[in-house]
Amino acid sequence: NAGVTQTPKFQVLKTGQSMTLQCAQDMNHEYMSWYRQDPGMGLRLIHYSVGAGITDQGEVPNGYNVSRSTTEDFPLRLLSAAPSQTSVYFCASQSMRGSTADTQYFGPGTRLTVL
Amino acid sequence: GESVGLHLPTLSVQEGDNSIINCAYSNSASDYFIWYKQESGKGPQFIIDIRSNMDKRQGQRVTVLLNKTVKHLSLQIAATQPGDSAVYFCAEIYSSASKIIFGSGTRLSIRP
Repeated sequence: NAGVTQTPKFQVLKTGQSMTLQCAQDMNHEYMSWYRQDPGMGLRLIHYSVGAGITDQGEVPNGYNVSRSTTEDFPLRLLSAAPSQTSVYFCASQSMRGSTADTQYFGPGTRLTVL
Repeated sequence: GESVGLHLPTLSVQEGDNSIINCAYSNSASDYFIWYKQESGKGPQFIIDIRSNMDKRQGQRVTVLLNKTVKHLSLQIAATQPGDSAVYFCAEIYSSASKIIFGSGTRLSIRP
């Protein structure tokens, strides 16, 4: 049971490049989400999904796309990277069956720098 | 709009003392609240949660209090230890919207 995994751990992009941040969980969690965390700041919700085939926008969705073709995977795609997207990105998953928050897990994060 | 925020961005406490970290929220329809601990370079780690129909919940060395009248949440850490140094976030869950919204965080530092 690996929990929530994210790849890559570090990434440097040039402005205008696109890339996909990968997130996978092996706990059969329905709920998955992506957050960004800027220095000295809290986590801001980008997109989330309550199940395969279902996605929705969070607080800061602009510039990002997501898809949820399987329960396990929830990739985050940067369409055209901008310096303002320099941040640490966290993926999280949670079981919604019992609505208990202690089943939420975070991945280790992806540190993205856009030049 | 709905928001979750913190009163104090930083908190310094003496080792062995109790720590109290506060959080204000604005959405009275939230189902429950969570406290997370985030150590440097790591993702947030669940500490304790509380449902909206509760006033208090205790864990190991931690207690969460919920005051729905003033929309206030607090995390109490007993006998603070050096390992408690971290940033603490409160989060608010709207089950109806399936959203988990985080506050901006409080950094807890421990004085020897």
